[in-house]
Amino acid sequence: AQSVTQLDSQVPVFEEAPVELRCNYSSSVSVYLFWYVQYPNQGLQLLLKYLSGSTLVKGINGFEAEFNKSQTSFHLRKPSVHISDTAEYFCAVSPRNTGFQKLVFGTGTRLLVSP
Amino acid sequence: DVKVTQSSRYLVKRTGEKVFLECVQDMDHENMFWYRQDPGLGLRLIYFSYDVKMKEKGDIPEGYSVSREKKERFSLILESASTNQTSMYLCASSFTGLAGGKANTGELFFGEGSRLTVL
Repeated sequence: AQSVTQLDSQVPVFEEAPVELRCNYSSSVSVYLFWYVQYPNQGLQLLLKYLSGSTLVKGINGFEAEFNKSQTSFHLRKPSVHISDTAEYFCAVSPRNTGFQKLVFGTGTRLLVSP
Repeated sequence: DVKVTQSSRYLVKRTGEKVFLECVQDMDHENMFWYRQDPGLGLRLIYFSYDVKMKEKGDIPEGYSVSREKKERFSLILESASTNQTSMYLCASSFTGLAGGKANTGELFFGEGSRLTVL
């Protein structure tokens, strides 16, 4: 079975500051990794994903994440946040042998950007 | 653009009522999912369907059933609503990528959610 841990339930940050949202996972098989974002009163949308290749992946809105296999982590980063980045961010993993049908989500991290 | 539409954004029901949550996607996706979202618990999978009339239980199927009679529509049914089913319900769909040469990127497309309150 897979599990995803997002240790920070809430991350407050000032506008234009850098931010890192942490994600660690546990799995006995190889996985694909995802970050989704949920803006207030909306559904989730894909921010970025790691399927294979370069371990540094870039997503929408200036976000990037790095897959670290040895530390089983997939932390999300942005060098300079904007007020509009205020949202909830979910890390998710999918075992490679399930055709993406068994996505497991973390509990989410609420990013609060203030002026 | 892929669109996943959930029929009701907000519902208020009474304990014991039968509740239907409808979800329609317009991109011919094979897979459809129902998740429940609760603060501090993230998203938990209730049921998913990989084809018409096919369904599989997720992590928390108790108290729920689903129906998929057409490819584009996936319904979540609460036979007898209870207060502990007060939650946000999210529908999602995805492409399997087994035909047509399209690549399966694993992306889920979500609806905007249905917030159910059971009194």
